[in-house]
Amino acid sequence: GAVVSQHPSWVICKSGTSVKIECRSLDFQATTMFWYRQFPKQSLMLMATSNEGSKATYEQGVEKDKFLINHASLTLSTLTVTSAHPEDSSFYICSASMGGQGGETQYFGPGTRLLVL
Amino acid sequence: GQQLNQSPQSMFIQEGEDVSMNCTSSSIFNTWLWYKQDPGEGPVLLIALYKAGELTSNGRLTAQFGITRKDSFLNISASIPSDVGIYFCASSRGGKLIFGQGTELSVKP
Repeated sequence: GAVVSQHPSWVICKSGTSVKIECRSLDFQATTMFWYRQFPKQSLMLMATSNEGSKATYEQGVEKDKFLINHASLTLSTLTVTSAHPEDSSFYICSASMGGQGGETQYFGPGTRLLVL
Repeated sequence: GQQLNQSPQSMFIQEGEDVSMNCTSSSIFNTWLWYKQDPGEGPVLLIALYKAGELTSNGRLTAQFGITRKDSFLNISASIPSDVGIYFCASSRGGKLIFGQGTELSVKP
């Protein structure tokens, strides 16, 4: 149980294009979904927290107009990197929590590697 | 700020050896989570601890929630090559996870 998927697993795009990454909780309803960014050999950096049907809460220093998050249902959240540039190249990971007892436990997706040329 | 201090930063061990890593904090937490991350993958939850003093096993893995609620350890017994990866401790504060710096484990066959 508690499986989270991400799509695509990797993407290469040209500078200036927008890229959408999907995060789905496959066997549970996620009250909250999270988006992280990870650089090589480093821990995960939280970008934003989203609850279904409401606006995402972004961490300090994360541009909300650059990284658009939509949480349309209890099983789907999307991250759109708008007008991507090479410095946006990174490993993006989503996670989901189901609320209730132990609800702070997050289950992670497999990650999406983005390379912007 | 609130930090989780995870040690050691890296370990190089022989297959079959036991491994121990820990996380400490100056703050009290109500949850301790241990994740493993393989290269190019997302973290996978190994063990979740919700009560001070709790000792939980998952196969060859054992983790404990410190009685002071400020620390936790993870032990791996009889290591095998597939144990290679980065292990993160994490805890929750304000609905968000705080991560340790990670312990990179290398296992020599």
